[in-house]
Amino acid sequence: AQSVTQLGSHVSVSEGALVLLRCNYSSSVPPYLFWYVQYPNQGLQLLLKYTSAATLVKGINGFEAEFKKSETSFHLTKPSAHMSDAAEYFCAVSLASSGYSTLTFGKGTMLLVSP
Amino acid sequence: EPEVTQTPSHQVTQMGQEVILRCVPISNHLYFYWYRQILGQKVEFLVSFYNNEISEKSEIFDDQFSVERPDGSNFTLKIRSTKLEDSAMYFCASSGSGPRDSPLHFGNGTRLTVT
Repeated sequence: AQSVTQLGSHVSVSEGALVLLRCNYSSSVPPYLFWYVQYPNQGLQLLLKYTSAATLVKGINGFEAEFKKSETSFHLTKPSAHMSDAAEYFCAVSLASSGYSTLTFGKGTMLLVSP
Repeated sequence: EPEVTQTPSHQVTQMGQEVILRCVPISNHLYFYWYRQILGQKVEFLVSFYNNEISEKSEIFDDQFSVERPDGSNFTLKIRSTKLEDSAMYFCASSGSGPRDSPLHFGNGTRLTVT
C-alpha cells in the first residue's frame, strides 16, 4: 500500500503565480512528513518538515506546507513562483511502524515555471 | 556547509560485474542510508546503517547488496553481480540522528548504468 501519494507528475505555473503541490499520506498514526527538492544533477535537499509541532510549517525559499489530519494531506505551497523554483519535488513520510527511522518517498512532482 | 560526497558520479559496468559505490557522509553524523531512483520512478529506500550494523533494509536489498563502513569515514554500497535492472541513480544520505530529529542530507548521487 502506498504510504504517500503525490497527485500530478508535472505541474506547470507562470512566474509569479501560486504554486500548489499535493501530497496525501496513508497512515493510521500521523507520520512525520517532509518535502524535498531535487534540482537537475543534484541530490535531494530538505525544504521543510512536520514532526507533530505546528501544523503550518515554513521552509526555505518561501515554501510552506500545512498538515491537515482530517484530509491526510501535507500540500506544499508558495505564493509566487520564481523561475529558479523549477525542479522536482518529493513528499516523504517517516512512519511509526518503522520507528520513524526511514523515509518513504512519493513519486515526485516536476514543477515547470514559465516566464 | 558540510555535505555528503559520492563517487563516482557515473559508473558504467557490464552485467554480472561487481560494483562499489562510495560515499563520504558528514563527519559527525551517525546514521547512514542508501536510496535509489530508477529513471522515471520514485526514490526507494534500500538500507539504513547505524553503530556499524544494518538497522533496517528493504525488500530490494537482497543478498546481492552489502554495505560497509570500512574506515570510519567512507560508507560503501556493493552490488556483487549487477543486473540490468540495477541501473539507477543511487543516493547516499546521512543524519545526525533519525529523520524524525534531524534531516537526511543527501549526496548528489551516482548514476549506475549496467549494460
